[in-house]
Amino acid sequence: ETGVTQSPTHLIKTRGQQVTLRCSSQSGHNTVSWYQQALGQGPQFIFQYYREEENGRGNFPPRFSGLQFPNYSSELNVNALELDDSALYLCASSSDRATNEKLFFGSGTQLSVL
Amino acid sequence: ILNVEQSPQSLHVQEGDSTNFTCSFPSSNFYALHWYRWETAKSPEALFVMTLNGDEKKKGRISATLNTKEGYSYLYIKGSQPEDSATYLCAFMNYGGSQGNLIFGKGTKLSVKP
Repeated sequence: ETGVTQSPTHLIKTRGQQVTLRCSSQSGHNTVSWYQQALGQGPQFIFQYYREEENGRGNFPPRFSGLQFPNYSSELNVNALELDDSALYLCASSSDRATNEKLFFGSGTQLSVL
Repeated sequence: ILNVEQSPQSLHVQEGDSTNFTCSFPSSNFYALHWYRWETAKSPEALFVMTLNGDEKKKGRISATLNTKEGYSYLYIKGSQPEDSATYLCAFMNYGGSQGNLIFGKGTKLSVKP
């Protein structure tokens, strides 16, 4: 198992609510990426944070936002939840923002929106 | 829209069989290709990151090859064991993509029967 931890492991919310997911990076890693995996799909890139700044973003609306803290842990916030936001959310850390670096994943947060 | 295709979708083999899967990706502006192994209820684990055409990488009984000109990578498992049962994901990045944006396939689910 990697040193990346995510909380909570499971979460149930209703449509319109807001949610915050948390990720603690592997020691020594300064880059965090977030992915959404809907049922039957591969993980889809949401955004990446490098040294507390957003460093890249996928095709997700602005209601998906994030933060990275000085200790390089990270949060993913989703406002105005929609049913389609139901998915597994994966956090991954790496030692640098370059994409030829391996990602170290957490085991994910399963979000259900009712 | 950039797409990564993996085949087969699922595979059932007997212990001791050797097996291989395919990952197809766009051949233009290639930057990196990643392979991950994801056991149920665990975190995805990096196997290989490949960047050069003709690259071959090996880790124990698992090896991978890369052809960036024709846009495919093969993952081979020699003498499959029940503990190899997992979903194998490949992920691609091209030059010009959003920083950190790995594009994942849907994975190949391998089941190895004792």
